[in-house]
Amino acid sequence: DADVTQTPRNRITKTGKRIMLECSQTKGHDRMYWYRQDPGLGLRLIYYSFDVKDINKGEISDGYSVSRQAQAKFSLSLESAIPNQTALYFCATSDFGRSQETQYFGPGTRLLVL
Amino acid sequence: DAKTTQPPSMDCAEGRAANLPCNHSTISGNEYVYWYRQIHSQGPQYIIHGLKNNETNEMASLIITEDRKSSTLILPHATLRDTAVYYCIVRSPQTGANNLFFGTGTRLTVIP
Repeated sequence: DADVTQTPRNRITKTGKRIMLECSQTKGHDRMYWYRQDPGLGLRLIYYSFDVKDINKGEISDGYSVSRQAQAKFSLSLESAIPNQTALYFCATSDFGRSQETQYFGPGTRLLVL
Repeated sequence: DAKTTQPPSMDCAEGRAANLPCNHSTISGNEYVYWYRQIHSQGPQYIIHGLKNNETNEMASLIITEDRKSSTLILPHATLRDTAVYYCIVRSPQTGANNLFFGTGTRLTVIP
């Protein structure tokens, strides 16, 4: 079984709809991250969480919100989806201390906003 | 965190060693060098990391120059499945995650 899972894997939605992307991990890591990737570009950080009570904005947080429901779960919401949020979204986890912040990524969610 | 410079693309013959360079001339003393790769829109995969000594694991070797201003990732016997985009990242584990930077990487194509 995969250590970091994302649901859904693919999603098509319409402009203005609220959607949620979910991430779960079985690695026991405290830190979790959400990134987006646009075609031909590197990953950009949206939000990150260092523990259940900690939420931090990344470089492109506008239009997104997150919820850390438990150590193992970190959800990303698009409150009112717009077409330029069409992208590939990745969740990642890391364990500070033991592996110098090595990050482990999920398989991604491909989102299309019409 | 220090920025990195990588060639946009490289080719390598199957079975030969692939040597991927990375320049990080502004690296500071507490920053590690990490390598990840991404195979065709899959989630990025951790390969290896190091601080100043050369490192080797089952996937690759990492050679860091003595002045730490550059490094080379070596895939000793490249296979077609190694075709991917390779990212070199320099950062300190002590800093906040809001300045983690993947960049655009090197697209490695392994040729049969």
